[in-house]
Amino acid sequence: SQQGEEDPQALSIQEGENATMNCSYKTSINNLQWYRQNSGRGLVHLILIRSNEREKHSGRLRVTLDTSKKSSSLLITASRAADTASYFCATDGAAGNKLTFGGGTRVLVKP
Amino acid sequence: GAGVSQSPSNKVTEKGKDVELRCDPISGHTALYWYRQSLGQGLEFLIYFQGNSAPDKSGLPSDRFSAERTGGSVSTLTIQRTQQEDSAVYLCASSLALGANVLTFGAGSRLTVL
Repeated sequence: SQQGEEDPQALSIQEGENATMNCSYKTSINNLQWYRQNSGRGLVHLILIRSNEREKHSGRLRVTLDTSKKSSSLLITASRAADTASYFCATDGAAGNKLTFGGGTRVLVKP
Repeated sequence: GAGVSQSPSNKVTEKGKDVELRCDPISGHTALYWYRQSLGQGLEFLIYFQGNSAPDKSGLPSDRFSAERTGGSVSTLTIQRTQQEDSAVYLCASSLALGANVLTFGAGSRLTVL
């Protein structure tokens, strides 16, 4: 079974709008990461947030982490058509080795 | 190399045949992962190698699946007696495995079993 589960499964927005997606997980973690996947092939790392951090920014990306609720959110501000992709959260276990991924959120940004 | 290389990029095989998928990780990366992704789905963990430690094989779906990593570098994922449900994209990733485990993925091998 997957450690992380993303919500919603799919999201369609207009260019310029913000996109928000959520990830819930089940066990204690050291870090939570977000990845992007274009065209169903390799994933690209976007951002990592540690368990002792609550918010992190990288360009147009904002990630929050609530360890008490075992959840994270990824916000993409001022979306562009090029942001169209699937977004996955990934968590490690307390031992901090194996990464398990959620089912992903498919984001469509319409021009 | 500069990135994670996987081969073949596409493989079409007949049910019952064996297939081998290859992953060449980034030089110096001690951790190597195999994942499987069915169409429109998330990533299913298969196996994890870390240095000289015994691999974590907990994700392999059946004994038809095996993987090895020779010399701490190149890895081969072997699927014996392929079935149609094995059709998927097989993704390999590697990492330095120091501190946070940030993965660099290959482009994947798309396997189609007819």
